[in-house]
Amino acid sequence: GNSVTQMEGPVTLSEEAFLTINCTYTATGYPSLFWYVQYPGEGLQLLLKATKADDKGSNKGFEATYRKETTSFHLEKGSVQVSDSAVYFCALSVSGSARQLTFGSGTQLTVLP
Amino acid sequence: NAGVTQTPKFRVLKTGQSMTLLCAQDMNHEYMYWYRQDPGMGLRLIHYSVGEGTTAKGEVPDGYNVSRLKKQNFLLGLESAAPSQTSVYFCASSYPSARQSFPSTDTQYFGPGTRLTVL
Repeated sequence: GNSVTQMEGPVTLSEEAFLTINCTYTATGYPSLFWYVQYPGEGLQLLLKATKADDKGSNKGFEATYRKETTSFHLEKGSVQVSDSAVYFCALSVSGSARQLTFGSGTQLTVLP
Repeated sequence: NAGVTQTPKFRVLKTGQSMTLLCAQDMNHEYMYWYRQDPGMGLRLIHYSVGEGTTAKGEVPDGYNVSRLKKQNFLLGLESAAPSQTSVYFCASSYPSARQSFPSTDTQYFGPGTRLTVL
């Protein structure tokens, strides 16, 4: 079956620090990969996505590269801000599955001023 | 556009009571989903629908029923609530690519969630 494993949290960083949140996956078929972000009290929003090997998704200074050889999709940001404090979810979907998303457990990020 | 809306935002039930959660989307999306979010477990799919009048089971369907009588609405029902159903429920919708064999790139758009407590 499909599964996503992401770095346990919580993660606490100072403003302007470098962020990495690890995500690895197993999938039957050829998945698309996503990072979703959930701000306090809100629903999930798509942060970035990648659909094939070596694709890099990017948005709001965040980046993640689809690595088929290591089955990974790690999230990075060079300089985090207090406003980046949120829960981050790695997810995948495969064709022919009604686009169902399989989520990781989420990583809580807190950025301190 | 309001996007995806959910009603109610909060609800407290007693064990054995029933209720219906309403999800509405105004984006003309074909696919709709119900997830539950529990601490440390991410989101898990309860049921989904690929079009008006169709529904299918997801990963954790037991204790829930759904209906999609109109394209824009997706209802989640609890017939006899149990404390194990205490959770945050999220609805989502998406518009599928025309080519079914194409890698699934479709973005799912989420509602703000319903926090349900079963005592």
